[in-house]
Amino acid sequence: AQKVTQAQTEISVVEKEDVTLDCVYETRDTTYYLFWYKQPPSGELVFLIRRNSFDEQNEISGRYSWNFQKSTSSFNFTITASQVVDSAVYFCALSEAKAAGNKLTFGGGTRVLVKP
Amino acid sequence: NAGVMQNPRHLVRRRGQEARLRCSPMKGHSHVYWYRQLPEEGLKFMVYLQKENIIDESGMPKERFSAEFPKEGPSILRIQQVVRGDSAAYFCASSLGGFEQFFGPGTRLTVL
Repeated sequence: AQKVTQAQTEISVVEKEDVTLDCVYETRDTTYYLFWYKQPPSGELVFLIRRNSFDEQNEISGRYSWNFQKSTSSFNFTITASQVVDSAVYFCALSEAKAAGNKLTFGGGTRVLVKP
Repeated sequence: NAGVMQNPRHLVRRRGQEARLRCSPMKGHSHVYWYRQLPEEGLKFMVYLQKENIIDESGMPKERFSAEFPKEGPSILRIQQVVRGDSAAYFCASSLGGFEQFFGPGTRLTVL
């Protein structure tokens, strides 16, 4: 069975500080995808990134960066120079390649509060 | 190209009533997933459907919940005889069949 753990339930930072969100996953499959989603106070889910299990290259997109470490089953997310608009709940998710669909298993989420 | 649409966005029901949640997938998408987000929790998979077929319903509560995705029209998640514990946000996602799922804005169900 697959599992995603986000140990940090809430992180509070002051604007311009960096913040790193941890994500640890469990899966028996060798082929899988990892995702990060943002859920702002308005409630919708905003897709941030998808990474497949064969690509361990780290990725940077603006102030966002992701560190995929297969050896430790982790897919951590860093926001550099945080802004108030980054305040949201962030979810890490895992999807395995199955014949019966690619359902997502979500972590419990980390609430990020960026104070001005 | 319109995204995934869900309606209503907010639904209020009294205990014992029925709730019907609709999801219109993106154009050309024949795969639909439903997820439930209880207050202060992450999303949990409920059911996966392809046109006219339920493929995986391992996350659906055994009673009162049902889902369909007819040949024509939106996917429907139906909750009969709602209870307060059904209050949650229900998200629908559609896909072409690959790993990428596009989420709708969700339906917030409140049971009084």
